[in-house]
Amino acid sequence: AQSVTQLGSHVSVSEGALVLLRCNYSSSVPPYLFWYVQYPNQGLQLLLKYTTGATLVKGINGFEAEFKKSETSFHLTKPSAHMSDAAEYFCAVSSPTRGSYIPTFGRGTSLIVHP
Amino acid sequence: KAGVTQTPRYLIKTRGQQVTLSCSPISGHRSVSWYQQTPGQGLQFLFEYFSETQRNKGNFPGRFSGRQFSNSRSEMNVSTLELGDSALYLCASSLATGASGNTIYFGEGSWLTVV
Repeated sequence: AQSVTQLGSHVSVSEGALVLLRCNYSSSVPPYLFWYVQYPNQGLQLLLKYTTGATLVKGINGFEAEFKKSETSFHLTKPSAHMSDAAEYFCAVSSPTRGSYIPTFGRGTSLIVHP
Repeated sequence: KAGVTQTPRYLIKTRGQQVTLSCSPISGHRSVSWYQQTPGQGLQFLFEYFSETQRNKGNFPGRFSGRQFSNSRSEMNVSTLELGDSALYLCASSLATGASGNTIYFGEGSWLTVV
């Protein structure tokens, strides 16, 4: 079984401040981990993913995430928030079993960026 | 390369009616999965099709059904619509094979309103 917990349904930051969105997962096998972003009235867009190899993963729009197995975490960060980063962010975990790659999604975190 | 295409984008139906939503996956992708997104329940997995066969199914009533055609295009159908079926329905596609096969790519979604 696999699950994802995103801490904080809303995170508010000032423009230019550090963005930190938290994600913890549980998985019985080595996980694949993802962050997606959803802008209003749109579908989900892949930000970055971790499968194997380097634990620090860089994605689009200046975001990055670090896989920490000991902490079962995959937190998303960005050094300096921009107004255009305001959106809903989803963490997801996939643990291929029986040939299925269906990910489990967290409840999402709404990022609010203040000018 | 064209992304995942969903039609229609917006629709309004009356309680008791049925609706069919369509999804064209990214070229070469053989897996199509469907999700329901609502403010209260977040992203919920409906079902996944691979090579015209339903491979996984979420916890939804039998009113929700789907199919996949030989060209990997997929449709989902909801019969006897209820007010609670109002949601954003998201389609996603993936290669579903290999190390990168677990990455799913979403369409823009179909907004269904049941009145």
